[in-house]
Amino acid sequence: ETGVTQSPTHLIKTRGQQVTLRCSSQSGHNTVSWYQQALGQGPQFIFQYYREEENGRGNFPPRFSGLQFPNYSSELNVNALELDDSALYLCASSLDRNGYTFGSGTRLTVV
Amino acid sequence: QQQVKQSPQSLIVQKGGISIINCAYENTAFDYFPWYQQFPGKGPALLIAIRPDVSEKKEGRFTISFNKSAKQFSLHIMDSQPGDSATYFCAATAADSWGKLQFGAGTQVVVTP
Repeated sequence: ETGVTQSPTHLIKTRGQQVTLRCSSQSGHNTVSWYQQALGQGPQFIFQYYREEENGRGNFPPRFSGLQFPNYSSELNVNALELDDSALYLCASSLDRNGYTFGSGTRLTVV
Repeated sequence: QQQVKQSPQSLIVQKGGISIINCAYENTAFDYFPWYQQFPGKGPALLIAIRPDVSEKKEGRFTISFNKSAKQFSLHIMDSQPGDSATYFCAATAADSWGKLQFGAGTQVVVTP
Protein backbone atom coordinates (compact mmCIF):
# COMPACT_ATOMS: atom_id res chain seq x y z
CA GLU A 1 0.00 0.00 0.00
CA THR A 2 1.36 3.39 -0.95
CA GLY A 3 0.67 6.84 0.40
CA VAL A 4 -0.14 8.19 3.84
CA THR A 5 -3.68 7.73 5.09
CA GLN A 6 -5.25 9.58 7.98
CA SER A 7 -8.46 9.00 9.88
CA PRO A 8 -10.95 10.34 10.48
CA THR A 9 -11.15 13.01 7.79
CA HIS A 10 -13.35 15.30 9.86
CA LEU A 11 -14.09 15.47 13.56
CA ILE A 12 -16.07 17.74 15.85
CA LYS A 13 -15.25 17.79 19.56
CA THR A 14 -16.32 19.84 22.56
CA ARG A 15 -13.89 22.00 24.50
CA GLY A 16 -12.25 20.00 27.30
CA GLN A 17 -12.63 16.65 25.54
CA GLN A 18 -9.82 14.40 24.34
CA VAL A 19 -9.19 13.31 20.76
CA THR A 20 -7.09 10.66 19.01
CA LEU A 21 -6.10 11.03 15.37
CA ARG A 22 -4.59 8.19 13.39
CA CYS A 23 -2.06 7.91 10.62
CA SER A 24 -0.88 5.02 8.51
CA SER A 25 2.56 5.73 7.12
CA GLN A 26 3.74 5.04 3.61
CA SER A 27 5.13 1.53 3.30
CA GLY A 28 8.78 1.34 4.43
CA HIS A 29 8.82 4.79 6.06
CA ASN A 30 10.18 4.60 9.61
CA THR A 31 9.70 8.25 10.55
CA VAL A 32 6.46 10.09 11.12
CA SER A 33 5.91 13.77 11.84
CA TRP A 34 2.73 15.54 12.87
CA TYR A 35 1.82 19.10 11.93
CA GLN A 36 -0.97 21.50 12.83
CA GLN A 37 -2.23 23.76 10.06
CA ALA A 38 -4.53 26.58 11.10
CA LEU A 39 -6.76 28.08 8.43
CA GLY A 40 -4.79 30.26 6.03
CA GLN A 41 -1.42 29.41 7.57
CA GLY A 42 1.50 27.11 6.96
CA PRO A 43 1.80 23.82 8.84
CA GLN A 44 3.44 24.01 12.27
CA PHE A 45 5.60 21.11 13.48
CA ILE A 46 4.19 19.31 16.52
CA PHE A 47 6.57 16.36 16.94
CA GLN A 48 8.33 13.53 15.18
CA TYR A 49 8.68 9.82 15.96
CA TYR A 50 11.45 7.58 14.75
CA ARG A 51 11.35 3.86 15.52
CA GLU A 52 8.66 4.40 18.16
CA GLU A 53 10.57 7.11 20.04
CA GLU A 54 9.83 10.84 20.02
CA ASN A 55 12.94 12.53 18.65
CA GLY A 56 11.86 16.10 18.08
CA ARG A 57 9.15 18.41 19.33
CA GLY A 58 7.88 21.81 18.33
CA ASN A 59 6.39 24.53 20.49
CA PHE A 60 3.31 22.60 21.63
CA PRO A 61 2.20 21.88 25.21
CA PRO A 62 2.41 18.39 26.77
CA ARG A 63 -1.31 17.83 26.25
CA PHE A 64 -0.27 17.04 22.67
CA SER A 65 1.20 13.54 22.73
CA GLY A 66 1.81 10.75 20.30
CA LEU A 67 2.60 7.13 19.71
CA GLN A 68 4.26 5.23 16.90
CA PHE A 69 3.66 1.51 16.56
CA PRO A 70 5.94 -1.27 15.27
CA ASN A 71 4.10 -1.26 11.95
CA TYR A 72 4.92 2.49 11.73
CA SER A 73 1.34 3.60 12.10
CA SER A 74 0.94 6.40 14.61
CA GLU A 75 -1.47 8.39 16.73
CA LEU A 76 -1.75 11.98 17.81
CA ASN A 77 -3.56 12.53 21.10
CA VAL A 78 -4.76 15.90 22.31
CA ASN A 79 -6.14 16.28 25.82
CA ALA A 80 -8.22 19.09 27.28
CA LEU A 81 -9.17 20.46 23.88
CA GLU A 82 -9.26 24.22 23.45
CA LEU A 83 -11.04 26.25 20.78
CA ASP A 84 -7.66 27.22 19.27
CA ASP A 85 -6.92 23.55 18.63
CA SER A 86 -9.33 23.73 15.70
CA ALA A 87 -7.15 23.07 12.67
CA LEU A 88 -6.12 20.61 9.99
CA TYR A 89 -3.79 18.01 11.48
CA LEU A 90 -1.32 16.54 9.03
CA CYS A 91 0.78 13.44 9.28
CA ALA A 92 3.91 13.08 7.16
CA SER A 93 6.07 9.99 6.81
CA SER A 94 9.58 9.70 5.46
CA LEU A 95 12.47 7.33 5.08
CA ASP A 96 15.08 10.06 4.82
CA ARG A 97 15.30 13.79 4.44
CA ASN A 98 14.64 13.75 0.75
CA GLY A 99 11.00 12.93 0.86
CA TYR A 100 8.20 13.69 3.26
CA THR A 101 4.86 12.35 2.12
CA PHE A 102 1.86 14.07 3.68
CA GLY A 103 -1.57 12.64 4.24
CA SER A 104 -4.72 14.59 3.44
CA GLY A 105 -5.18 15.46 7.08
CA THR A 106 -7.88 15.39 9.72
CA ARG A 107 -9.99 18.53 10.05
CA LEU A 108 -10.66 19.00 13.79
CA THR A 109 -13.27 21.47 14.94
CA VAL A 110 -13.53 22.26 18.65
CA VAL A 111 -16.79 23.87 19.75
CA GLN B 1 8.71 33.64 15.45
CA GLN B 2 8.46 32.61 11.83
CA GLN B 3 11.77 31.24 10.61
CA VAL B 4 10.79 31.29 6.95
CA LYS B 5 9.11 34.38 5.53
CA GLN B 6 7.14 34.00 2.30
CA SER B 7 5.71 36.56 -0.10
CA PRO B 8 3.40 37.47 -1.67
CA GLN B 9 0.38 36.23 0.28
CA SER B 10 -1.59 35.83 -2.94
CA LEU B 11 -0.95 36.04 -6.64
CA ILE B 12 -3.13 36.22 -9.74
CA VAL B 13 -1.51 35.36 -13.06
CA GLN B 14 -2.87 34.82 -16.53
CA LYS B 15 -2.59 31.48 -18.26
CA GLY B 16 0.83 31.23 -19.86
CA GLY B 17 2.36 33.77 -17.49
CA ILE B 18 5.09 33.36 -14.89
CA SER B 19 4.33 33.01 -11.19
CA ILE B 20 7.10 34.02 -8.80
CA ILE B 21 7.06 33.32 -5.07
CA ASN B 22 9.83 34.44 -2.74
CA CYS B 23 11.08 33.14 0.59
CA ALA B 24 13.71 34.33 3.04
CA TYR B 25 15.26 32.62 6.03
CA GLU B 26 17.58 33.48 8.91
CA ASN B 27 18.83 30.14 10.20
CA THR B 28 22.10 29.37 8.41
CA ALA B 29 21.87 25.76 9.58
CA PHE B 30 19.05 25.16 7.10
CA ASP B 31 20.33 22.95 4.30
CA TYR B 32 17.27 21.56 2.56
CA PHE B 33 14.63 23.76 0.98
CA PRO B 34 11.51 22.09 -0.44
CA TRP B 35 8.45 23.63 -2.02
CA TYR B 36 5.03 22.15 -1.48
CA GLN B 37 1.80 22.50 -3.42
CA GLN B 38 -1.49 22.17 -1.58
CA PHE B 39 -4.97 21.91 -3.05
CA PRO B 40 -8.09 22.52 -0.93
CA GLY B 41 -8.88 19.52 1.25
CA LYS B 42 -5.55 17.87 0.55
CA GLY B 43 -2.22 17.65 2.30
CA PRO B 44 0.87 19.39 0.94
CA ALA B 45 2.61 17.56 -1.91
CA LEU B 46 6.32 17.91 -2.58
CA LEU B 47 6.89 19.87 -5.78
CA ILE B 48 10.63 20.45 -5.98
CA ALA B 49 13.50 20.86 -3.53
CA ILE B 50 17.01 22.30 -3.49
CA ARG B 51 20.15 22.16 -1.38
CA PRO B 52 22.37 25.24 -0.90
CA ASP B 53 25.25 23.83 -2.94
CA VAL B 54 23.43 24.73 -6.16
CA SER B 55 21.95 28.06 -7.25
CA GLU B 56 19.18 26.75 -9.45
CA LYS B 57 17.15 23.61 -9.99
CA LYS B 58 14.62 23.06 -12.72
CA GLU B 59 11.99 20.37 -13.05
CA GLY B 60 9.62 20.83 -15.95
CA ARG B 61 7.88 24.17 -15.61
CA PHE B 62 9.07 24.65 -12.02
CA THR B 63 12.39 26.29 -11.13
CA ILE B 64 13.94 27.08 -7.76
CA SER B 65 16.49 29.89 -7.59
CA PHE B 66 18.67 29.94 -4.49
CA ASN B 67 20.82 32.80 -3.18
CA LYS B 68 22.84 31.54 -0.23
CA SER B 69 24.49 34.86 0.62
CA ALA B 70 21.14 36.67 0.70
CA LYS B 71 19.44 33.73 2.43
CA GLN B 72 16.66 33.83 -0.09
CA PHE B 73 15.09 31.37 -2.47
CA SER B 74 12.26 31.57 -4.93
CA LEU B 75 9.92 29.42 -6.99
CA HIS B 76 9.20 30.26 -10.60
CA ILE B 77 6.26 28.61 -12.34
CA MET B 78 6.66 29.04 -16.07
CA ASP B 79 3.75 28.86 -18.54
CA SER B 80 1.27 28.86 -15.64
CA GLN B 81 -1.85 26.74 -16.17
CA PRO B 82 -5.28 26.86 -14.47
CA GLY B 83 -4.43 23.49 -12.90
CA ASP B 84 -1.55 25.22 -11.07
CA SER B 85 -4.09 27.19 -9.01
CA ALA B 86 -3.23 26.13 -5.46
CA THR B 87 -1.46 27.28 -2.33
CA TYR B 88 2.31 27.03 -2.41
CA PHE B 89 4.49 26.72 0.65
CA CYS B 90 8.23 27.07 0.92
CA ALA B 91 9.92 25.21 3.73
CA ALA B 92 13.33 24.61 5.23
CA THR B 93 14.99 22.13 7.53
CA ALA B 94 18.40 21.52 9.03
CA ALA B 95 20.45 18.33 9.11
CA ASP B 96 20.27 18.09 12.91
CA SER B 97 16.48 18.37 12.94
CA TRP B 98 15.34 16.63 9.81
CA GLY B 99 11.67 15.88 9.89
CA LYS B 100 11.04 19.29 11.41
CA LEU B 101 10.07 21.38 8.42
CA GLN B 102 9.73 25.11 8.99
CA PHE B 103 7.04 26.32 6.60
CA GLY B 104 6.35 29.74 5.20
CA ALA B 105 2.85 31.19 5.53
CA GLY B 106 1.89 30.19 2.00
CA THR B 107 1.02 31.90 -1.28
CA GLN B 108 -2.35 31.38 -2.90
CA VAL B 109 -1.89 31.32 -6.66
CA VAL B 110 -4.82 31.79 -9.01
CA VAL B 111 -4.25 31.24 -12.72
CA THR B 112 -6.95 32.83 -14.84
CA PRO B 113 -7.91 31.30 -18.22
